[in-house]
Amino acid sequence: SQKIEQNSEALNIQEGKTATLTCNYTNYSPAYLQWYRQDPGRGPVFLLLIRENEKEKRKERLKVTFDTTLKQSLFHITASQPADSATYLCALETGTASKLTFGTGTRLQVTL
Amino acid sequence: EAGVVQSPRYKIIEKKQPVAFWCNPISGHNTLYWYLQNLGQGPELLIRYENEEAVDDSQLPKDRFSAERLKGVDSTLKIQPAELGDSAVYLCASSITTDTGELFFGEGSRLTVL
Repeated sequence: SQKIEQNSEALNIQEGKTATLTCNYTNYSPAYLQWYRQDPGRGPVFLLLIRENEKEKRKERLKVTFDTTLKQSLFHITASQPADSATYLCALETGTASKLTFGTGTRLQVTL
Repeated sequence: EAGVVQSPRYKIIEKKQPVAFWCNPISGHNTLYWYLQNLGQGPELLIRYENEEAVDDSQLPKDRFSAERLKGVDSTLKIQPAELGDSAVYLCASSITTDTGELFFGEGSRLTVL
């Protein structure tokens, strides 16, 4: 069966450390993968996109990697701040014409 | 520039009652999506429109859910009759049709069915 898995348990890290979130998938061959941030009571907000032929993408303190052999994407936030606390969702292109399928999300909590 | 606007933000109804949600996408975005999000889960696609045409409604429970996008702009999602299991957040999103499909989401409409 097709699955997109993110760590369902919350990730707690200390301010200033690097947070690493994982997105694993099976039985998909996505042309690209996106990461979104979602705050409580709000809609998801787009952060980064990475294509299948790209190994790594960076944007300010964010870095995404995409390993199509391992079927895994890693999302890193360096120098984490309490304001980074949110749920982070990965989304895969899973069909024709840009269909996106979302993972379950991982909640990140950054403490002082 | 205004983002995706949804209403109502919150709705509480009794089971078997009808309910409707409205979405106004970002101007110029020809692709519109309705997603359902249960607590602790990721968004799940219900229906996707390209202009007025529903190009993917395979996950829409058509016995009780319906949607329309007249004139290719605003959209409404209706549930009739609502069931207890329909309690969730209904998210609307829009995008410019490109090969990468970055989505812009509204704040969502939280439905509680009693």
